Amino acid sequence: RKEVEQDPGPFNVPEGATVAFNCTYSNSASQSFFWYRQDCRKEPKLLMSVYSSGNEDGRFTAQLNRASQYISLLIRDSKLSDSATYLCVVNEVDSGAGSYQLTFGKGTKLSVIP
Amino acid sequence: DGGITQSPKYLFRKEGQNVTLSCEQNLNHDAMYWYRQDPGQGLRLIYYSQIVNDFQKGDIAEGYSVSREKKESFPLTVTSAQKNPTAFYLCASRQGPGLRKLFFGSGTQLSVL
Repeated sequence: RKEVEQDPGPFNVPEGATVAFNCTYSNSASQSFFWYRQDCRKEPKLLMSVYSSGNEDGRFTAQLNRASQYISLLIRDSKLSDSATYLCVVNEVDSGAGSYQLTFGKGTKLSVIP
Repeated sequence: DGGITQSPKYLFRKEGQNVTLSCEQNLNHDAMYWYRQDPGQGLRLIYYSQIVNDFQKGDIAEGYSVSREKKESFPLTVTSAQKNPTAFYLCASRQGPGLRKLFFGSGTQLSVL
């Protein structure tokens, strides 16, 4: 069974702290990777795609390690507004159905404390 | 503005009743999806459609039905056969079946009376 595993947290960190989330995936044929942010009772919103070479967007850095089959998200200088659940999402080919399938992790909850 | 619209935001179902959740998109996306989310859980795929008049079952299709008569619309019916329907339902779409990101609607919270 294809799985995407995340530490559920919660991660409680003070403002200004640096926090890192990891996510592991079981299907070595996975082809693309994303981090989504979800606020309580809201829809997930794309935070960033994850590229093989790693990528950065302001205070957020995403890394991919294909050999070990994990991706990470680093948040620097945490803000109160970063409090949310962060979902790891893996896109893979379903050869049986001839389609691409997205598998979601259960999410890691972050609370940034004043 | 382009986007995905789900309605209603909150829905209540009585025992033995079928209810239909609406999902409309004006992004001209080919692929549309329905997910269910339970508290503290990830998203689980109910049904998806990659083209008009075609759809496939996801991981938890039992007790649900869909239709895709128009590119813009992908309604989900929660039937009386779904014994535990209380959950947050999310509709999503993306352009083509490839590796592109998903766009989500704002969700429907379904509860049983």
